[in-house]
Amino acid sequence: QTVVTQEPSLTVSPGGTVTLTCASSTGAVTSAYYPNWFQQKPGQAPRALIYSTSNKHSWTPARFSGSLLGGKAALTLSGVQPEDEAEYYCLLYYGGDWVFGGGTKLTVL
Amino acid sequence: EVQLVESGGGLVQPGGSLRLSCAASGFTLRSHWMHWVRQVAGKGLVWVSRINGDGTSIRYADSVKGRFTISKDNAKDTLYLQMDSLRDEDTAMYYCLRESSATVAGTPKFWFDPWGQGTLVTVSS
Repeated sequence: QTVVTQEPSLTVSPGGTVTLTCASSTGAVTSAYYPNWFQQKPGQAPRALIYSTSNKHSWTPARFSGSLLGGKAALTLSGVQPEDEAEYYCLLYYGGDWVFGGGTKLTVL
Repeated sequence: EVQLVESGGGLVQPGGSLRLSCAASGFTLRSHWMHWVRQVAGKGLVWVSRINGDGTSIRYADSVKGRFTISKDNAKDTLYLQMDSLRDEDTAMYYCLRESSATVAGTPKFWFDPWGQGTLVTVSS
């Protein structure tokens, strides 16, 4: 059973920078896992933010960026805004199946 | 506008069946892999199943294998999820979503958008 692990919760101050990570139980995450990142606010469907490691959608704010960091996929928010408070999920590809991480609840305080 | 609208959720008894539908507009299902994802209230997202453009390649999560069947009607641009032998733990919001892909400078890219608004399935006696 493949497990994708994210930090359960993180707290950041407005204007600060925070990095969320996404680890695989099978080993180092590489670009071949095509990491995707999603944001979900209460009562809403998830919204796509980043695809294939570091590519942004047209609606993704510039303060969001994706990368590979220390064997994990990473989502960095620079200059955090109050509206960034949400749950964030990563999604990794395992040769046919996709697996979500458990999600990171980001609090802006 | 590219959009997905789910329907078919509701209350069903354990052991019962339900069929979810996901109507696509603004694009054709024939050109995309499509997925179902579920989310228990207050919990995380869980990938459930996916089907390719012409319906010939299908995958399921172990938790639903043998009980759920994904299908699509490309003529109607509608995706389905037939759920049989339902269990309490299948209670969740079910989302359909579109997978898109492209090759950029020789590198494949995969993204997931749009998502539907979700349809709630409650399994309870």
